[in-house]
Amino acid sequence: DTGVSQDPRHKITKRGQNVTFRCDPISEHNRLYWYRQTLGQGPEFLTYFQNEAQLEKSRLLSDRFSAERPKGSFSTLEIQRTEQGDSAMYLCASSLGGKWEKLFFGSGTQLSVL
Amino acid sequence: DAKTTQPNSMESNEEEPVHLPCNHSTISGTDYIHWYRQLPSQGPEYVIHGLTSNVNNRMASLAIAEDRKSSTLILHRATLRDAAVYYCIPIWVDDKIIFGKGTRLHILP
Repeated sequence: DTGVSQDPRHKITKRGQNVTFRCDPISEHNRLYWYRQTLGQGPEFLTYFQNEAQLEKSRLLSDRFSAERPKGSFSTLEIQRTEQGDSAMYLCASSLGGKWEKLFFGSGTQLSVL
Repeated sequence: DAKTTQPNSMESNEEEPVHLPCNHSTISGTDYIHWYRQLPSQGPEYVIHGLTSNVNNRMASLAIAEDRKSSTLILHRATLRDAAVYYCIPIWVDDKIIFGKGTRLHILP
């Protein structure tokens, strides 16, 4: 069991630059979730996939954010024209799918926008 | 919309039991109550879940009130490695978890 892996662990970027994060879920998991977490807060839902289909995207999410899951395997989260308010921990999770299934989280990517 | 209430923080001595409370006064009759925890610099990890009966696993026990308006996560013998933020999650919106702020548990050596 290799778990959910995220890359990179840390990313420092300048305001206005684009960044992309990668998530590799547990291999047999159909569902993949992205969350964002700022200091002192619980994780905030961003979007999730069932295989390659993006089922939901948070209405609070800016159009600068886009996520893909080609072929239903790994996923990428891209942030265009980063802003200082995008600084956060970006967490990926996967599950077998459906309500009540356990989510397995990666260790996250810490983004700092200068 | 169900409201979830947890204390912001709690302290406990090492090797003593810890009872982490959660109030979920308007939970529906079919919603499972999940608990996750988040260790420092890690993503959240599943701890336990239950519907009506008390549940036990190797990590913890979950005691659910008869009216299901509250639950308690029990760590039987806390260690320093149990210091984490504990999230009580009685609500799944569609197929996704909505996290609150949780309870930050401090373990005193």
